[in-house]
Amino acid sequence: AQSVTQLDSHVSVSEGTPVLLRCNYSSSYSPSLFWYVQHPNKGLQLLLKYTSAATLVKGINGFEAEFKKSETSFHLTKPSAHMSDAAEYFCVVSERRISSGSARQLTFGSGTQLTVLP
Amino acid sequence: GAGVSQSPRYKVAKRGQDVALRCDPISGHVSLFWYQQALGQGPEFLTYFQNEAQLDKSGLPSDRFFAERPEGSVSTLKIQRTQQEDSAVYLCASSLLDRISTYEQYFGPGTRLTVT
Repeated sequence: AQSVTQLDSHVSVSEGTPVLLRCNYSSSYSPSLFWYVQHPNKGLQLLLKYTSAATLVKGINGFEAEFKKSETSFHLTKPSAHMSDAAEYFCVVSERRISSGSARQLTFGSGTQLTVLP
Repeated sequence: GAGVSQSPRYKVAKRGQDVALRCDPISGHVSLFWYQQALGQGPEFLTYFQNEAQLDKSGLPSDRFFAERPEGSVSTLKIQRTQQEDSAVYLCASSLLDRISTYEQYFGPGTRLTVT
């Protein structure tokens, strides 16, 4: 079974300082992992994805994440926070195939609310 | 280009009423997913369509929940005899179904359902 644990429900940083959002996963097989961002009243947007290629994944808006199999972690980082980064972030794992097809079910973590202080 | 759209964006229903939530996926997307997002939680999978076929409905919380996609494009999620615990944001997502894109789902803005 697949599951995701986001270790912090709220993270607060000052503008211009680094961001670290932590995520641990559990999966029986080699998973695909994602980070999505959700701004108020907007749809979930894919930030980046890991699908068994390079372990360091670069995404949009300067975010990146590193897949560490030994630690079952997929933490999201950004060197310098911007006010526009304030949003809810979700770590997501995809392993389970749906029925007999190739579509896969996404399992979301409970989210981390990022606040950026001026 | 046009993304996934959902309507209505907000719905208030009295307990016991039936509601219907609509999803317009991205044109050409074979896969369509419904998720339920309770307040302060991450989205949870409800059901999946490949074209018009509902291949997985294991996440539907009760037999009051019913989804359809009769022509393989627009989908409707119906909730009968709504209860207060049904209050949540209902998200729709669509994706292509090829080897590269099977993992990437595009989400709509959601419908916020409040049952009073």
